[in-house]
Amino acid sequence: QKEVEQNSGPLSVPEGAIASLNCTYSDRGSQSFFWYRQYSGKSPELIMSIYSNGDKEDGRFTAQLNKASQYVSLLIRDSQPSDSATYLCAVYIQGAQKLVFGQGTRLTINP
Amino acid sequence: DAGVIQSPRHEVTEMGQEVTLRCKPISGHNSLFWYRQTMMRGLELLIYFNNNVPIDDSGMPEDRFSAKMPNASFSTLKIQPSEPRDSAVYFCASSLRFQETQYFGPGTRLLVL
Repeated sequence: QKEVEQNSGPLSVPEGAIASLNCTYSDRGSQSFFWYRQYSGKSPELIMSIYSNGDKEDGRFTAQLNKASQYVSLLIRDSQPSDSATYLCAVYIQGAQKLVFGQGTRLTINP
Repeated sequence: DAGVIQSPRHEVTEMGQEVTLRCKPISGHNSLFWYRQTMMRGLELLIYFNNNVPIDDSGMPEDRFSAKMPNASFSTLKIQPSEPRDSAVYFCASSLRFQETQYFGPGTRLLVL
């Protein structure tokens, strides 16, 4: 089992709809979780971090964390074509003492 | 405030040559990370430093790879000798403290012929 798993996609969503991105992790002791966005040919940039169970909202983005189910998700409301990118889930794996990235989900927003 | 700075942005070299990648972290950040990204393997952590000290180099693929951080504002990743399978994008990232948000540099796109 991979330490951090994401569906690689591609995920195609119509403009204006909600895009839902999911991530599972293996280390039950993990405490820090991050979502990064990476445009083609660019470096990853942080969208949100989340540390506690529940939802965290920032503009059109909502991160959801469920430690019991070892699951973290990112919702993008009112999706825009500019949201088309690869989204990377990153989890600080306590046992390994390092940040581990998932393979990323490629998201396409269709006008 | 300037972000993480990496140089060169692109590097094309021939197999067997030495390659040196450079990174300047964000001022005041105590942790520095080197990553490699390929289509097949995604984003992989190679090595990280905390307060200029290498903490975990278990991700370094083999002895051909080495990294140094002589001071808080500079780090290098060296590949000697380089091989075609080293072709990838190499990112440097820094964080204020270990376990906190990492900020990535623009990356160095390396092609080994």
